[in-house]
Amino acid sequence: GDSVTQMEGPVTLSEEAFLTINCTYTATGYPSLFWYVQYPGEGLQLLLKATKADDKGSNKGFEATYRKETTSFHLEKGSVQVSDSAVYFCALSGDQGAQKLVFGQGTRLTINP
Amino acid sequence: GAVVSQHPSWVICKSGTSVKIECRSLDFQATTMFWYRQFPKQSLMLMATSNEGSKATYEQGVEKDKFLINHASLTLSTLTVTSAHPEDSSFYICSARGGLVGFTGELFFGEGSRLTVL
Repeated sequence: GDSVTQMEGPVTLSEEAFLTINCTYTATGYPSLFWYVQYPGEGLQLLLKATKADDKGSNKGFEATYRKETTSFHLEKGSVQVSDSAVYFCALSGDQGAQKLVFGQGTRLTINP
Repeated sequence: GAVVSQHPSWVICKSGTSVKIECRSLDFQATTMFWYRQFPKQSLMLMATSNEGSKATYEQGVEKDKFLINHASLTLSTLTVTSAHPEDSSFYICSARGGLVGFTGELFFGEGSRLTVL
């Protein structure tokens, strides 16, 4: 079945550092890919998405490119802030408009001032 | 964005009792709601999908008699853990989707409910 694998956390960085959180997936067909973020005490929020190969999703300085050849959707940010501290989840949904999301295990990110 | 609220956020109960968790969409009508379970340091596992006014669809391996889901209105879904046991202790999360055409992935999530069964 479909699956998502994220790099294990926790990840701790200093403010203004470059961030990469790796995500790879296994799926049949052509899934859509997502990154969700969960800030402390809040529900998951959609951060960005990409629906087809080579698409780049971006939001709040974060970017991720749908790489079908490497089945990856790595999350990057050039300069992180303390406010980016959260848990980040990579997810996919199957093609043909399937509603179900398959999540990675989440990566906890802590940014120190 | 739209708001989904869960209640209670934290509940402790004795083994053998039943616990109800509510999931409400506060500012939109949720035609579909999803219930997830999350174990420590693991991903969210989809338990069931519920559509307003119809029976929930459970994922393989999820006991429907153990985890009762009701979606009686467009703004409320409930998950009842019946005869809870310590192995049911977990973090339960709901998400909701409005009645828009197509799936954009923009599900709205509740804050989660942590259940501890003693």
